[in-house]
Amino acid sequence: EAGVAQSPRYKIIEKRQSVAFWCNPISGHATLYWYQQILGQGPKLLIQFQNNGVVDDSQLPKDRFSAERLKGVDSTLKIQPAKLEDSAVYLCASSTRWSAGSPKKETQYFGPGTRLLVL
Amino acid sequence: DAKTTQPPSMDCAEGRAANLPCNHSTISGNEYVYWYRQIHSQGPQYIIHGLKNNETNEMASLIITEDRKSSTLILPHATLRDTAVYYCIAEGQTGANNLFFGTGTRLTVIP
Repeated sequence: EAGVAQSPRYKIIEKRQSVAFWCNPISGHATLYWYQQILGQGPKLLIQFQNNGVVDDSQLPKDRFSAERLKGVDSTLKIQPAKLEDSAVYLCASSTRWSAGSPKKETQYFGPGTRLLVL
Repeated sequence: DAKTTQPPSMDCAEGRAANLPCNHSTISGNEYVYWYRQIHSQGPQYIIHGLKNNETNEMASLIITEDRKSSTLILPHATLRDTAVYYCIAEGQTGANNLFFGTGTRLTVIP
C-alpha cells in the first residue's frame, strides 16, 4: 500500500514570497490533515478535511495560510506571504473516515513532510 | 483532553527493553491513550493505543495502570532503528479526529 506522498521535500524562499505544498493521501482515506512542526516541538494541527469539507481550521493563520482539497483527494497548502517564523516542517496525514460517534480516534498515517526555510 | 507528561529524553542499550513512561493524571473515562513515534526526518508513525486493558502488538506493549493515571510503552528488544521521539497522547473523541502532540520523549538506543 502506497503511503502519503508530499512534495516538494525541501523549499527555501525569502520572506514575503509565496509557497505551496502538495499532498496525496492514502487511497480511500477520506480525512486529510495538515500539521506544522517547528524545530524541537511536536506537530501542531493546522487544518483537517473530511472529503472536500473543512472539519477544523481553528489553528490555521487565515491571513496568510490557505488550504484546499477540491476533489476530496489531493490537497494543497499555501502560504502567502511567508514570514520567518513559518520556517518549519509541514506534515500531511490521512486517515479513514472519521465518525463523530466513534469513541476512539482513527489512526493517522503521515507523509515525510516538506521542510520549509524562510530567509 | 488530558495533559500528558513525559521525560524529555531516555537512553536504552540495544537489545534491552525500553520502558517509556507517560503521566496522564487528569485523564477521563472515555479518553484513550495513543502512542506515536517520529524517527528523524520522517513523519510520526502510529504505534499502539489503549483504554483500560494492557495492549500488545507487533511493535510494542502498552501497560496502563489500574487508575489510568499513567502508562508505559514497552519496546521489548530495542534496536538502533527504534531511536526516535515518542509521543504519548491522551484524548477523547473531541468532535474531530485531530491529535495534540506534546514534545515527547527522545529515546536513544545505544549500541
